[in-house]
Amino acid sequence: DTGVSQNPRHKITKRGQNVTFRCDPISEHNRLYWYRQTLGQGPEFLTYFQNEAQLEKSRLLSDRFSAERPKGSFSTLEIQRTEQGDSAMYLCASVPTGTGGSGYTFGSGTRLTVV
Amino acid sequence: GQNIDQPTEMTATEGAIVQINCTYQTSGFNGLFWYQQHAGEAPTFLSYNVLDGLEEKGRFSSFLSRSKGYSYLLLKELQMKDSASYLCAVFHTGGFKTIFGAGTRLFVKA
Repeated sequence: DTGVSQNPRHKITKRGQNVTFRCDPISEHNRLYWYRQTLGQGPEFLTYFQNEAQLEKSRLLSDRFSAERPKGSFSTLEIQRTEQGDSAMYLCASVPTGTGGSGYTFGSGTRLTVV
Repeated sequence: GQNIDQPTEMTATEGAIVQINCTYQTSGFNGLFWYQQHAGEAPTFLSYNVLDGLEEKGRFSSFLSRSKGYSYLLLKELQMKDSASYLCAVFHTGGFKTIFGAGTRLFVKA
């Protein structure tokens, strides 16, 4: 296990379609985060999990967004009825519990383009 | 709420020293991170400060003043590969999440 893996790397979809992204964190990391990043901006917090429990979801996240981490391992982020404003890089990150100072290990991200 | 401010862009010369400043206002502060992000890539962890003072790690150093809500990242002996965005980020006490600034794009010229 060499890092955080995200699939797909790129996704182009038509407006109105649903998309799902997957994140496989480092296996011993209990906490998993989803962020969204647009050009020229820093990553924006979306949600995070402690094992399988979703502990916080950003108020910026509309009801079209949902995330799961069913067995406390991999996670999925689904966007329903995509809009052009959803175009962004979606980043997943993981960190061991209780070691906030170690920083996140980010995956390479999924770049979503909504046309 | 949270507010993190850092310069949008900076330019420096190869071999020189550059200091990237960050000021923050937050309702819950547990520490401050610096990340490096090359274009098209994910951020990578550089440093974490929780106490006031300077932390040195090779060519990179990071400073924190909690009372002033201020941090800086110091890069010495600049190399062309240091051209990247540098993200200042606050580790928030509420929910163990990290809030990022918009980043400073550093251009290193020969």
